[in-house]
Amino acid sequence: AQTVTQSQPEMSVQEAETVTLSCTYDTSESDYYLFWYKQPPSRQMILVIRQEAYKQQNATENRFSVNFQKAAKSFSLKISDSQLGDAAMYFCAYRSISGSARQLTFGSGTQLTVLP
Amino acid sequence: EAGVAQSPRYKIIEKRQSVAFWCNPISGHATLYWYQQILGQGPKLLIQFQNNGVVDDSQLPKDRFSAERLKGVDSTLKIQPAKLEDSAVYLCASSPPARVGGTEAFFGQGTRLTVV
Repeated sequence: AQTVTQSQPEMSVQEAETVTLSCTYDTSESDYYLFWYKQPPSRQMILVIRQEAYKQQNATENRFSVNFQKAAKSFSLKISDSQLGDAAMYFCAYRSISGSARQLTFGSGTQLTVLP
Repeated sequence: EAGVAQSPRYKIIEKRQSVAFWCNPISGHATLYWYQQILGQGPKLLIQFQNNGVVDDSQLPKDRFSAERLKGVDSTLKIQPAKLEDSAVYLCASSPPARVGGTEAFFGQGTRLTVV
């Protein structure tokens, strides 16, 4: 079974600054997807960014980018030019590609506070 | 495109009572997930359906929880009888078939259950 670990329960960043959220995972599979989801107080889980494991290039979405290190099984999220609206709980998630289950497994989350 | 619909948004019940949650996934999405998210933790998979068949219910407490997905569309999750530790947010998510390139899961707004 796959596991996802987020070792930072809380992080804070000054508005307009850059912050990096860490995530590691454990798997024996060679191909899979990784995601960062954002969950604001409204509870709606929103996809921030996705990474296919077979792609060496790190994914970017506007101010959000990842540092994907497949050998180290590390998948960190960098938020540049942080905005007040970025404040939320962030979850790292792993999804299998093979097999019928294709489970989606989450980490424990990092609560991000953005300071004005 | 309509999102994943869940109802109710909030529910308060006494322990030993029963409760049911409803989920309507995005049209055409073959995979449906139910997650339990205890306050301050990441979502934990309870059950995963592929069309109307169960592909993973290994973490579903089957002595009190049950779920069904009628005709491969809507789904209901039931708890009977409820315990205090069942207090959590119950999230429903769906994803498109792999053959159409479905990677991410789309989430509903969740149902917050409080057992008193």
